[in-house]
Amino acid sequence: QKEVEQNSGPLSVPEGAIASLNCTYSDRGSQSFFWYRQYSGKSPELIMFIYSNGDKEDGRFTAQLNKASQYVSLLIRDSQPSDSATYLCAVLNTGGFKTIFGAGTRLFVKA
Amino acid sequence: NAGVTQTPKFQVLKTGQSMTLQCAQDMNHNSMYWYRQDPGMGLRLIYYSASEGTTDKGEVPNGYNVSRLNKREFSLRLESAAPSQTSVYFCASSEARSNYGYTFGSGTRLTVV
Repeated sequence: QKEVEQNSGPLSVPEGAIASLNCTYSDRGSQSFFWYRQYSGKSPELIMFIYSNGDKEDGRFTAQLNKASQYVSLLIRDSQPSDSATYLCAVLNTGGFKTIFGAGTRLFVKA
Repeated sequence: NAGVTQTPKFQVLKTGQSMTLQCAQDMNHNSMYWYRQDPGMGLRLIYYSASEGTTDKGEVPNGYNVSRLNKREFSLRLESAAPSQTSVYFCASSEARSNYGYTFGSGTRLTVV
């Protein structure tokens, strides 16, 4: 079992729809969870982090965390073509110095 | 406001050649990291430096060495390049214990022929 798992996609949604990206992790002691966006040929860019169970909203983005189920998700409301990218889920391990990344989910937003 | 600067951006090496990838950050971050990214495998940690003067192995350290030259600079060396080291390499930095996520450099695309 991979430490951080994501569906590779591609996930295709129409413009204006809600895109839902999911991630599961194996280290039950993990405390910090991150979502990065990576455009093709570019470096990852941090868009959200979450520490506590529940939802965290920032503009059109909502991160959701369920530690009991070891599940993290990212919702993108009113999706735009500019949101088309690969989204990386990342988990800070129990020791606090190593961040483990999922392989990413490719998102396409169709105009 | 440079953030994390990596050099070079592109490099082609022949098998057996050596090279050093350079990374510098100007955000006064304590921790620095080297990752490689391969298609379908995501980012894998090669080495990290939790603070100036310390370095530790990550998931895939074989074939690499690192030097934390000072608080700003963290270099990655390939002593004898192999085709399996063809990848995109990213340097990243963070405040202590990474709780606020990483800032990444723009990457180095390395091809070993």
